[in-house]
Amino acid sequence: ETGVTQSPTHLIKTRGQQVTLRCSSQSGHNTVSWYQQALGQGPQFIFQYYREEENGRGNFPPRFSGLQFPNYSSELNVNALELDDSALYLCASSRGQGASNYGYTFGSGTRLTVV
Amino acid sequence: GQQLNQSPQSMFIQEGEDVSMNCTSSSIFNTWLWYKQDPGEGPVLLIALYKAGELTSNGRLTAQFGITRKDSFLNISASIPSDVGIYFCAGQLPRGGSNYKLTFGKGTLLTVNP
Repeated sequence: ETGVTQSPTHLIKTRGQQVTLRCSSQSGHNTVSWYQQALGQGPQFIFQYYREEENGRGNFPPRFSGLQFPNYSSELNVNALELDDSALYLCASSRGQGASNYGYTFGSGTRLTVV
Repeated sequence: GQQLNQSPQSMFIQEGEDVSMNCTSSSIFNTWLWYKQDPGEGPVLLIALYKAGELTSNGRLTAQFGITRKDSFLNISASIPSDVGIYFCAGQLPRGGSNYKLTFGKGTLLTVNP
């Protein structure tokens, strides 16, 4: 079974630019969650997508937005990039909205550097 | 953002030793998860706990869901060099909206000396 794949693996952007990160969920999973992991910290929840709609959001501003497609893949968009947005962005997929039964499967992440 | 209290922050042990780490929270969780993260990779699920008091093993790993639902621990027995990495606990609140999110600890960095 195919795991969670994310692209690109690394990205360097300039402050003020916009970025789109992509995620393909694990086969059989219909829910995608996005997390931001700053250096030396645990992942922080950004939002979750279920049935192509945002289903829960963490403490992130509106310039963080996302999409989920009919094939359950997802995009994370960040506008007006700030230096503090530099982090590892993780996508996690699951079979259903909660962690029951199987937990969440994480991708390897996209390392975003804002200069 | 909110994070769980995970301890210790780091551990340096000799190969063959046992390891114990734990997480506490001011909130009640209905699910506790333990993940391991290697450099440049995403977290990999080690053990999932769904019931207060539950004790679950996965090979040399054992984890427990605290009776109060506010804590969990992970034990690793007879450590080996490939156990090196960062271990994270994560909790999930009871169902609904943003409660589907996972709240993570800051991690425990484990170093194993051969």
